[in-house]
Amino acid sequence: DVKVTQSSRYLVKRTGEKVFLECVQDMDHENMFWYRQDPGLGLRLIYFSYDVKMKEKGDIPEGYSVSREKKERFSLILESASTNQTSMYLCASRSTSGKNEQFFGPGTRLTVL
Amino acid sequence: GDSVTQMEGPVTLSEEAFLTINCTYTATGYPSLFWYVQYPGEGLQLLLKATKADDKGSNKGFEATYRKETTSFHLEKGSVQVSDSAVYFCALNPRMDTGRRALTFGSGTRLQVQP
Repeated sequence: DVKVTQSSRYLVKRTGEKVFLECVQDMDHENMFWYRQDPGLGLRLIYFSYDVKMKEKGDIPEGYSVSREKKERFSLILESASTNQTSMYLCASRSTSGKNEQFFGPGTRLTVL
Repeated sequence: GDSVTQMEGPVTLSEEAFLTINCTYTATGYPSLFWYVQYPGEGLQLLLKATKADDKGSNKGFEATYRKETTSFHLEKGSVQVSDSAVYFCALNPRMDTGRRALTFGSGTRLQVQP
């Protein structure tokens, strides 16, 4: 089975801090995604990476950056955390061959005080 | 652009009741359609999918039929259980030639099943 892991389940940070959220997948998938989940808004795409060192902005990239130095790892960076970035962050991965299903990690609930 | 609209929740049912969660979409051409489920404290899991018109996806007693004429993909289950309590997300995967490679999600519908 595909496994997508995220570095933390819960995280509390202060306004202005730099925050790193890590995601690792073990199935050699080319595509990886970062979403944020907020009540009533569903999942919104922050950034997408289609291969190592390649990235595309999603629907809400402002205030975020990403890094993909290795195929299995996709990091989301909040350069200067703000309270409106308090949310659930979900990482996903997908193979570009065959089925187009996305596999999700358990999520990181980030609170910015 | 692409969009997915789901019925608002929460949906509260008694055990063994019939479930319908409505989902309609707007997209170019023939997207693939998905239902994901999120149990409390967990990430999303694929529940079922359909890749072309009139396809029926099914899993764990849940079913959904891809209806191109009504642009819908409603989720149904004949007899719900308490363990089905979760948030359900409808999503679409656009055609590759649109340039977008990520899923578009609905806002989610919370299902609460009471014993």
